Amino acid sequence: EIVLTQSPATLSLSPGEGATLSCRASQSISSYLAWYQQKPGQAPRLIIYDGSNRATGITARFSGSGSGTDFTLTISSLEPEDFAVYYCQQRSAWPITFGQGTRLEIK
Amino acid sequence: EVQLLESGGGLVQPGGSLSLSCAASGFTFSNYAMNWVRQAPGKGLEWVSTIAGSGSTTYYADSVKGRFTISRDNSKNTLYLQMNSLRAEDTAIYYCARRGGNSGWGAFDYWGQGTLVTVSS
Repeated sequence: EIVLTQSPATLSLSPGEGATLSCRASQSISSYLAWYQQKPGQAPRLIIYDGSNRATGITARFSGSGSGTDFTLTISSLEPEDFAVYYCQQRSAWPITFGQGTRLEIK
Repeated sequence: EVQLLESGGGLVQPGGSLSLSCAASGFTFSNYAMNWVRQAPGKGLEWVSTIAGSGSTTYYADSVKGRFTISRDNSKNTLYLQMNSLRAEDTAIYYCARRGGNSGWGAFDYWGQGTLVTVSS
């Protein structure tokens, strides 16, 4: 099973600041990595797929990078609606696995 | 507009069974692999199962293999999850999700709102 390790567990930032979230895979997953945003009481929402592609309707403030084992989600100039939990997910091999999540909270 | 609507959740005793449904609309259902993902209270996301668009191939997490069965009826645009021998650790919100992309095997691009399954005596 491919283990995804997200860091940090919690990130405290202020609106207007930039955020950098990390996801590391236990073995190479090429670019088969997605990022999801989840707000309290809501279903997850796809933000980035295949490492660096923004999903439909996602603002350009979100960008993804990386391949192999190390991936990054960058959010420029945080807006109040960006504060949420973010999960990475790999689809390179079965079973599909998720990271444990990074909570982005308002400082 | 793509919509996924789960139903069938509820309270069940340990060892019991429950069947979940996910009604899909707004896209050609048979062209996409479909999935169940669950989230225990206060915890992260856990992939449960995937079924190919044709229904010919299925995949399961080890935690549910042999107890859960995923299926679909493409004539009814509906995804199912039959859950047997339920345990307390199966308590979670269960989401259905579509796999997107041109191949229909991409990331999970649309999600339902979820249905809560509680396993307790």
